[in-house]
Amino acid sequence: DAKTTQPTSMDCAEGRAANLPCNHSTISGNEYVYWYRQIHSQGPQYIIHGLKNNETNEMASLIITEDRKSSTLILPHATLRDTAVYYCIVRVARTSYDKVIFGPGTSLSVIP
Amino acid sequence: DAGVTQSPTHLIKTRGQQVTLRCSPKSGHDTVSWYQQALGQGPQFIFQYYEEEERQRGNFPDRFSGHQFPNYSSELNVNALLLGDSALYLCASSLDSQPQHFGDGTRLSIL
Repeated sequence: DAKTTQPTSMDCAEGRAANLPCNHSTISGNEYVYWYRQIHSQGPQYIIHGLKNNETNEMASLIITEDRKSSTLILPHATLRDTAVYYCIVRVARTSYDKVIFGPGTSLSVIP
Repeated sequence: DAGVTQSPTHLIKTRGQQVTLRCSPKSGHDTVSWYQQALGQGPQFIFQYYEEEERQRGNFPDRFSGHQFPNYSSELNVNALLLGDSALYLCASSLDSQPQHFGDGTRLSIL
């Protein structure tokens, strides 16, 4: 079973920030938080990951709470192309335990 | 730099048949994982191959088998196809603890 819970769906106005929450209350100390997204008819695309510090890259920012039980993915200026299903995953990042368990994700709709 | 490529993109089979799906990993990656994604659901882990051996397996029957070749490419084989095997089959490749990169999948339809 997935170890994360996410809202089923969210809407966001184009040009505004999209904040996607994720709960992972049973996360272990050696598990990272990963975010992927899947645009219709494509494979999942890696967005960002982090352990306990906030992370930022060219696609998004990841904010992890101090107790690591929840996180938020932030798309700073959402565009119509950001409409997708977003998956939050916890994963032990070691070569022998690379299994990725997906939940149903959050369907984000960016509205013009 | 080519990413993960999968073939074919679409496939139609009938119940009881067998199917082979193929995956070429991203250049430099040595680990291949396979996932099944039913319509409206998240991908479900089938198994993972590393150094030509199955390293981990999800909750899938023995009808699902795989292989990894010395060039790191991989095949997924499904025997005795059932209607419920209709899904998008995704291949992902990775190296060490780096994030997995996914292909766009093979859409398998069972009639």
